[in-house]
Amino acid sequence: DTAVSQTPKYLVTQMGNDKSIKCEQNLGHDTMYWYKQDSKKFLKIMFSYNNKELIINETVPNRFSPKSPDKAHLNLHINSLELGDSAVYFCASSQSSTGREQYFGPGTRLTVT
Amino acid sequence: GENVEQHPSTLSVQEGDSAVIKCTYSDSASNYFPWYKQELGKRPQLIIDIRSNVGEKKDQRIAVTLNKTAKHFSLHITETQPEDSAVYFCAASRTSGTYKYIFGTGTRLKVLA
Repeated sequence: DTAVSQTPKYLVTQMGNDKSIKCEQNLGHDTMYWYKQDSKKFLKIMFSYNNKELIINETVPNRFSPKSPDKAHLNLHINSLELGDSAVYFCASSQSSTGREQYFGPGTRLTVT
Repeated sequence: GENVEQHPSTLSVQEGDSAVIKCTYSDSASNYFPWYKQELGKRPQLIIDIRSNVGEKKDQRIAVTLNKTAKHFSLHITETQPEDSAVYFCAASRTSGTYKYIFGTGTRLKVLA
């Protein structure tokens, strides 16, 4: 009964490839997020969806495209991967009516070679 | 833009001593301040939070204080134990609108046995 799950946990790929990361939450939350954590451990918001609507879109290259097919899922597709995309990507979810705790997934470690 | 500064970046304490981590935020509309603990290779997890209508909150060995006028908030851990060793992140957020967390840069706490 995992609350926020991500697949895959590890992703190793070559520059120029296209890859996707999937996220699912079973908490009944209406808001989901993607964060990037770089090698210095900085946690930076990338995107957020509320009820399948994009509400946060930070300064992220347009090679990154989020998709939310329903409230429980938020996927991240990355085109033309670059070395600098190597990081840990965390999905998170929260309930907008409380505006409080965000629950994080286990993370996906992406390595671009 | 919105910013959260966090100090120190690393902190080493002897087991049983106290640890204090400080954060300063820039967005005066922020009214929710969570603290997350991230153990090595794991997801960030909420350990304590505080809302702007409260000046202090305690949970066993952990406490958070908030000075809204100065836009400062701090995490206090007493009687530290080796399992407290982790990276700690503060964040500031509004509880309406986009619910965007602005994270601090993290503090690596080492508790020496």
